[in-house]
Amino acid sequence: GAGVSQSPRYKVAKRGQDVALRCDPISGHVSLFWYQQALGQGPEFLTYFQNEAQLDKSGLPSDRFSAERTGGSVSTLKIQRTQQEDSAVYLCASSPGGGFVYEQFFGPGTRLTVL
Amino acid sequence: AQSVTQPDIHITVSEGASLELRCNYSYGATPYLFWYVQSPGQGLQLLLKYFSGDTLVQGIKGFEAEFKRSQSSFNLRKPSVHWSDAAEYFCAVGGSLGGNKLVFGAGTILRVKS
Repeated sequence: GAGVSQSPRYKVAKRGQDVALRCDPISGHVSLFWYQQALGQGPEFLTYFQNEAQLDKSGLPSDRFSAERTGGSVSTLKIQRTQQEDSAVYLCASSPGGGFVYEQFFGPGTRLTVL
Repeated sequence: AQSVTQPDIHITVSEGASLELRCNYSYGATPYLFWYVQSPGQGLQLLLKYFSGDTLVQGIKGFEAEFKRSQSSFNLRKPSVHWSDAAEYFCAVGGSLGGNKLVFGAGTILRVKS
C-alpha cells in the first residue's frame, strides 16, 4: 500500500518568502509528526497531531512556524518569512495510534533551501 | 534532559565483516529505544525497537541490538555486512517524559568496502 508522501520533494525559497509543505499520511493513521533534519544531524521533533488536534508543538523553533491537520488526514507545515537557518529536510511521519508501541512511518522528506 | 549520542560519525567495514554501531542515551525514565536506517532519497525505516523484556532484540535485515541499562547503551550489530547496508543509521529514544516524540542521535554513516 501507499506510504507517507510529501510534497514538494524540493523547495527553493528566497529569504523572506512564505512556504507550505504538505504531508499525506498513511490512510487511517491517527498520529502525525513533523521533524526537521538539518544537514549532518538527526531529525528533531517539531510537532505532533492526534487526529486533528495538535497535542504538542514544543519543537517549533519560532512563531514563524505553524502546522495544521485538516480532517485528521493531510497536514501542512507553514514557514513564514523564511530565513537561511530554516534550510533543512522536513520529515513527516504517521503512526496507526498513539504511543510508542505503534511504529512511526516516515515520508521521504521535503528539502527546503533558503537563499 | 533527553539525548542520544552516536560517537561514530562515519564507519567503514568490508563486505562480509561484522558491524557494531554505538548508541548511548540519557533519559530520566524508562526508555523506549529504536534504530532507524536512512538511504539516500528514502524515508527513515525502522530496523528494530526495545520496549521491555529480553534485552537482545532482533530486527529486520539481520540486525540485532542489545540494551544495557548499566551502560545506558543500545548498540546495533550485524554479523555479516552486505554492500546494500551502506546507509545512515540513527538511534532514537522516547518514553513517558517526552510525549510521543522521538529524540534522535546525529547518525552514523556506514560505508561498505567490496
